[in-house]
Amino acid sequence: QVQLQQSGTELVKPASSVKISCKASGYTFTSNYMHWIRQQPGNGLEWIGWIYPGNGNTKYNQKFDGKATLTADKSSSTAYMQLSSLTSEDSAVYFCARSVSYYFDYWGQGVMVTVSS
Amino acid sequence: DVVMTQTPVSLPVSLGGQASISCRSSQSLVHSNGNTYLHWYLQKPGQSPQLLIYRVSNRFSGVPDRFSGSGSGTDFTLKISRVEPEDLGDYYCLQSTHFPLTFGSGTKLEIK
Repeated sequence: QVQLQQSGTELVKPASSVKISCKASGYTFTSNYMHWIRQQPGNGLEWIGWIYPGNGNTKYNQKFDGKATLTADKSSSTAYMQLSSLTSEDSAVYFCARSVSYYFDYWGQGVMVTVSS
Repeated sequence: DVVMTQTPVSLPVSLGGQASISCRSSQSLVHSNGNTYLHWYLQKPGQSPQLLIYRVSNRFSGVPDRFSGSGSGTDFTLKISRVEPEDLGDYYCLQSTHFPLTFGSGTKLEIK
């Protein structure tokens, strides 16, 4: 069965960076796009971007250009998102989600990132 | 960006009753390939969103037939019949026809 296991809660300082992971299992990692989605406290969902692990191609929501960097390691079937120059605005839950035919069919459990000094 | 306007914001329903959620887009969601990429998700408290309906009207595996989706162009609806306690949570529509992908602002389904 398809599973996306994300890394644990992060407490980070302003102006720093954080890298969160999403380990995929139960399917061929290189055959599906992996997307990242942000949910700020009490708010809705925002799409950050996708990576295609098969060739490393990426596409970002312009809003997150320079903020998020997506990578993937085929050997471990793990997708990563690095967030840089963190501010309190980046405090949120971050989800990874697999897509098939333009929709997200499986989601990770989410990673809470808190930016605080 | 395509703006997805979801109504109502809050929807009190009685158990066993029917609920209807509207999602309107600021431009047509018909892709150049002829498909319409409008999908519906339910986020239960403390959980990640789960797929209910994909491409307007197709129920995802394991989703009860109490859930149905309809619509075209810019106007879409999710209907839930015979509401059960497990249906409570936040419902979101998602368009993936245009970049960037955008979600509706959500509808909270709660018990009346």
